[in-house]
This record gives sequence, structure tokens and C-alpha cells, in this order.
Amino acid sequence: AQSVAQPEDQVNVAEGNPLTVKCTYSVSGNPYLFWYVQYPNRGLQFLLKYITGDNLVKGSYGFEAEFNKSQTSFHLKKPSALVSDSALYFCAVNKEGYGGATNKLIFGTGTLLAVQP
Amino acid sequence: DTEVTQTPKHLVMGMTNKKSLKCEQHMGHRAMYWYKQKAKKPPELMFVYSYEKLSINESVPSRFSPECPNSSLLNLHLHALQPEDSALYLCASSPLAVSGNTIYFGEGSWLTVV
Repeated sequence: AQSVAQPEDQVNVAEGNPLTVKCTYSVSGNPYLFWYVQYPNRGLQFLLKYITGDNLVKGSYGFEAEFNKSQTSFHLKKPSALVSDSALYFCAVNKEGYGGATNKLIFGTGTLLAVQP
Repeated sequence: DTEVTQTPKHLVMGMTNKKSLKCEQHMGHRAMYWYKQKAKKPPELMFVYSYEKLSINESVPSRFSPECPNSSLLNLHLHALQPEDSALYLCASSPLAVSGNTIYFGEGSWLTVV
């Protein structure tokens, strides 16, 4: 069975410092990995995804994530945090060839990022 | 900005009411989804439509009835809901209902059942 873990309920970081939001996954076969962000009282916004190829994926708003197959991780990073990055972040996974007409994402429990000025 | 549009943004309904949530996308996507989200929790998949046909129903109670009139529109008909059904309902779409396709979400409809 597929699963995603986000081990930290909350991450606190000072503005201007680098940030990391952790995600590990469990999938048999090749994983497809996604990061979404949800600002207060808003829907989910797609940030980036890993399908295949370069392990370092760059996404929206200066975010990037590194796929590490040996550690089954897909941590989200940003070199310099902004107060406006404060939001709820979800990691999600599905896998190559999963199902038929399904595209079912398995979400992590979410990590609240708080960036202090 | 999202290109998945949901109406209404807020809805309050009584337990005996019938109401509908509406969703529209003009990205030419052939897969559309309904998710339910409780506060600070991950979204839970309810339904998947692929080429206007229902392909997944995640054992959702029959008081929720989805409808896909055409490739751009998705409705969720609500009847005899319970207070525990109060949540954010998210519509989403992707080019195809195939793993690896990016799912794009709307802003959601906040539903309160009284």
C-alpha cells in the first residue's frame, strides 16, 4: 500500500533563513511525488512534482524539492523564507501505472509552516 | 491563479434542504474530482470522473450525488446532510485521470450544515 509521512506538524523558521519541510513515502514501484500549498481559507495550489529524471525539481515561488530514492524522501526546500510562505504544506504520492482511470493521490497529514519576521 | 472555479464560496443549509455545488474548468481537462477537507486535515477523495463517466466513488454516502453534465462542468448535489458533513468541498481537474497528471484545485466551497 502507498503511504506518505510528514513527520513535523509544524515548522518554525525566521524570515530570510532556509526552510525544509520533510516528506517520506512508501510505494512499491516508481513513485510520482507532489507538493501542494494551502493558504488560510483557500484551496490547494500545486507547487511542484517529481515524475522522472533530475532528482532536483524546481517549482513555483522559489521552492524546490529533492527526490532521494535510497531514503524514500522528497523534502521541500527554499533558500530564503518569506513571511508570506506561512501556510499548510501537503506532500502527496501516487505511482506509475497505478490503477486505470484513477489518478488517486495519497496525501500526507500536512505541515504548518510559520515564518517569523 | 486557479482555473477551476467553484460556486458558491459559502453555503449554509439545513438538514432537510437540497442544494448543489458547482464547478467549472476551461483547461480542456478530461478528469474532474470532488474532495472533502476538514480543517487542517488533508483532502479526502470522494469522486473521480474520467471523460464524463464516474470512475471512482470512495464509498461516499448517497446523500452526496455527483453529476458531470459535460467535460467542463461538475456538480455535487446535496440532500439530507448531517452536521458532520460541514467541511470545505474542493473541486479539481487534471488533463487525464492517469497517475502522474497534475491535479489542479479550485478555491473550494465552504459548507455548513445546521
